[in-house]
Amino acid sequence: NAGVTQTPKFQVLKTGQSMTLQCAQDMNHNSMYWYRQDPGMGLRLIYYSASEGTTDKGEVPNGYNVSRLNKREFSLRLESAAPSQTSVYFCASSDGGGSDEQYFGPGTRLTVT
Amino acid sequence: EDKVVQSPLSLVVHEGDTVTLNCSYEVTNFRSLLWYKQEKKAPTFLFMLTSSGIEKKSGRLSSILDKKELFSILNITATQTGDSAVYLCALLLYNTDKLIFGTGTRLQVFP
Repeated sequence: NAGVTQTPKFQVLKTGQSMTLQCAQDMNHNSMYWYRQDPGMGLRLIYYSASEGTTDKGEVPNGYNVSRLNKREFSLRLESAAPSQTSVYFCASSDGGGSDEQYFGPGTRLTVT
Repeated sequence: EDKVVQSPLSLVVHEGDTVTLNCSYEVTNFRSLLWYKQEKKAPTFLFMLTSSGIEKKSGRLSSILDKKELFSILNITATQTGDSAVYLCALLLYNTDKLIFGTGTRLQVFP
């Protein structure tokens, strides 16, 4: 089992460019999440998906869109990147419905210049 | 507003020392409190606490939750250099799958 995988590992964008971060899990989990981690701010939830076909906003959704493509995959899109979106992005998954542990992917380090 | 505060922000100790990390919260309704360890990359799960007063143990690590005083502690005894990491506390809200994280405590253990 690979667990939770993310691509790419690193990315540099110019202001205004767009990109999609990919996430996949092979644990047959129902719920998937996107977080960003900034120095001194801890992990903050951007969007999450409790099941295939549903998505909900988290704490910091502005500037992002998500797609739950199927049960395995959950992508995060930046339509017009801004320097404030420079961060490390983590995808996570959990079984949901009473199983509380979330499993995290290795992260994507994004720099917007 | 739901809030999770960890202290200290940073801690430097020598191998063999015992450390206590604190997590206090202002969350009105939560299902469980989770502790994670984050080294270079992804956070890895340590403990989940749901009931007040029941200690969870795993080797040299232990944790307990006090729902009356609204805090949890993570103890690490006989620290080793491999314990150096950021330790994150998070609360899972009721009726959602949302985790609210604290800012973390950075622990550095020197030989």
